[in-house]
Amino acid sequence: AQSVAQPEDQVNVAEGNPLTVKCTYSVSGNPYLFWYVQYPNRGLQFLLKYITGDNLVKGSYGFEAEFNKSQTSFHLKKPSALVSDSALYFCAPYSTLTFGKGTMLLVSP
Amino acid sequence: NAGVTQTPKFQVLKTGQSMTLQCAQDMNHEYMSWYRQDPGMGLRLIHYSVGAGITDQGEVPNGYNVSRSTTEDFPLRLLSAAPSQTSVYFCASSYLAGIVSGANVLTFGAGSRLTVL
Repeated sequence: AQSVAQPEDQVNVAEGNPLTVKCTYSVSGNPYLFWYVQYPNRGLQFLLKYITGDNLVKGSYGFEAEFNKSQTSFHLKKPSALVSDSALYFCAPYSTLTFGKGTMLLVSP
Repeated sequence: NAGVTQTPKFQVLKTGQSMTLQCAQDMNHEYMSWYRQDPGMGLRLIHYSVGAGITDQGEVPNGYNVSRSTTEDFPLRLLSAAPSQTSVYFCASSYLAGIVSGANVLTFGAGSRLTVL
């Protein structure tokens, strides 16, 4: 079985500060993990994925995520947040058929 | 590149009316799917298709019909709309090999906002 959990409904951060959106996973076998972003009134867009290889995955718009096997986590990070990063973020396991509620990121000026 | 195109963007229906939400993709993706997004519920899978002539039910299929006569198109039909079907609907597509391997990246349309009065 494959599942992920995003423990925070909302994350607030000031522009210019680093941001982290948390995701933990529970999978059997090798995990494939994805991050998608949904900007207001838009569909989801792919950000990055971990399949195998380097634990630090770099994606679109300056985002990165670190796969941590011991902590079963795949947190999304960005060194310096922008107001335009405000959106709904979804962590998802491989062969995704259903997405959870996601985490709303709000970046204040 | 058009990607995944959904029409209409907005629609208001009365209870009992029927309508079709259109979805078209130009990426030659075998896999197509429909989701609905409701506040606090995330995205839930309604129906999906792994190729022309093949469809299957997702998590919340009741009240919706689909067909897949071509690779490009995957319309979602509401035969008798109910207020509970008020939602934002998203179509998504992917290469089938990615779905099977687990490495799939889904490409989403911009959504169709449906209100049933």
